[in-house]
Amino acid sequence: DGGITQSPKYLFRKEGQNVTLSCEQNLNHDAMYWYRQDPGQGLRLIYYSQIVNDFQKGDIAEGYSVSREKKESFPLTVTSAQKNPTAFYLCASIQGQGAGGELFFGEGSRLTVL
Amino acid sequence: KNQVEQSPQSLIILEGKNCTLQCNYTVSPFSNLRWYKQDTGRGPVSLTIMTFSENTKSNGRYTATLDADTKQSSLHITASQLSDSASYICVVRQSNFGNEKLTFGTGTRLTIIP
Repeated sequence: DGGITQSPKYLFRKEGQNVTLSCEQNLNHDAMYWYRQDPGQGLRLIYYSQIVNDFQKGDIAEGYSVSREKKESFPLTVTSAQKNPTAFYLCASIQGQGAGGELFFGEGSRLTVL
Repeated sequence: KNQVEQSPQSLIILEGKNCTLQCNYTVSPFSNLRWYKQDTGRGPVSLTIMTFSENTKSNGRYTATLDADTKQSSLHITASQLSDSASYICVVRQSNFGNEKLTFGTGTRLTIIP
């Protein structure tokens, strides 16, 4: 079945370590997104990519990095520069840029900093 | 400032009862509004999309309304079931000369009790 696969589901990190969250989609979607979800807040955009080898910063990009070497893959690295990385991270994709485009989300990755 | 506000923050109802969730927004220019359902620890899933010209739309036991003049939307759930327990997120798309942006509400946490 088509969809978005995020891994790992749960991740624990020590302070000062970088971690990479995987996001793979087989929907043949052009655009991919990373969001961060914290309790009591709406989803916040970290990075997005509309095409291979191109990506743009979202509203809260500091302390994060991404790459888009393949259409199917959009990994997110949480670096040690991210001061409060504990959160639920959601990857999403959308076909094209039409106004009716629907975001399809992965199942999320929960990162906890020890 | 573009904002999406949802109410109530949380709601507890008995199984079989109806409920209505509210979403007020200040996003402009408006393109569309989606309601998503997010089960605990999972990614959000789209329930329905409302465009400017639509006043009401149903998806099974879910009925969404939109009043573009007052910038309000509601999601009505009929004959609630235990599986309706989830967070419901309102997302408004802004479209401005090809630049599109999504603004997420903080969600309503719905709990159905037997």
